[in-house]
Amino acid sequence: DAKTTQPNSMESNEEEPVHLPCNHSTISGTDYIHWYRQLPSQGPEYVIHGLTSNVNNRMASLAIAEDRKSSTLILHRATLRDAAVYYCILVYGNKLVFGAGTILRVKS
Amino acid sequence: DVKVTQSSRYLVKRTGEKVFLECVQDMDHENMFWYRQDPGLGLRLIYFSYDVKMKEKGDIPEGYSVSREKKERFSLILESASTNQTSMYLCASSSLGGVANEKLFFGSGTQLSVL
Repeated sequence: DAKTTQPNSMESNEEEPVHLPCNHSTISGTDYIHWYRQLPSQGPEYVIHGLTSNVNNRMASLAIAEDRKSSTLILHRATLRDAAVYYCILVYGNKLVFGAGTILRVKS
Repeated sequence: DVKVTQSSRYLVKRTGEKVFLECVQDMDHENMFWYRQDPGLGLRLIYFSYDVKMKEKGDIPEGYSVSREKKERFSLILESASTNQTSMYLCASSSLGGVANEKLFFGSGTQLSVL
């Protein structure tokens, strides 16, 4: 399975943008890039996904490098409710393989 | 709002007991999944199902079985619970088309302790 590498933790100030990086140098042409987040005591929550082009939705933006070997999840204005573990996942077929994720701390 | 509901938030069982974990989704999804989540190991896929009465093994199916008699319900069965099955169990569902270009909806999880 293709692997992803994320920083263990990041910190952000409230109301500021957050850029969460993810490296996936072994990505194959058919792997989708997914992001999920997990708040304490809850199941993972879908954030965004894409294949080649940048994607925007009401929660976040996903910027995918031209060679697809890295991507960045962008939260445009972090709030305290965005504090969570963020997982960058490569998906092929029915398989999601979660790594350790990035713990995002948001300071008020 | 879409919902995946797991029957219990916390469960304590004894070694050797047969354990049933239930999951119900209200989105008419074809695909349903069972994961377990352990510190340092992330989420690992136990079993998944594409349709009623269909099932496929995931990465760690040993010691588990599943049942899908109705589209909305997917049960995980621990035939004879052991202490190494103490874990957080997460159910998820997605619509037809596979997971790659669809999103998974997760339940809140069941924290199972086997004593």
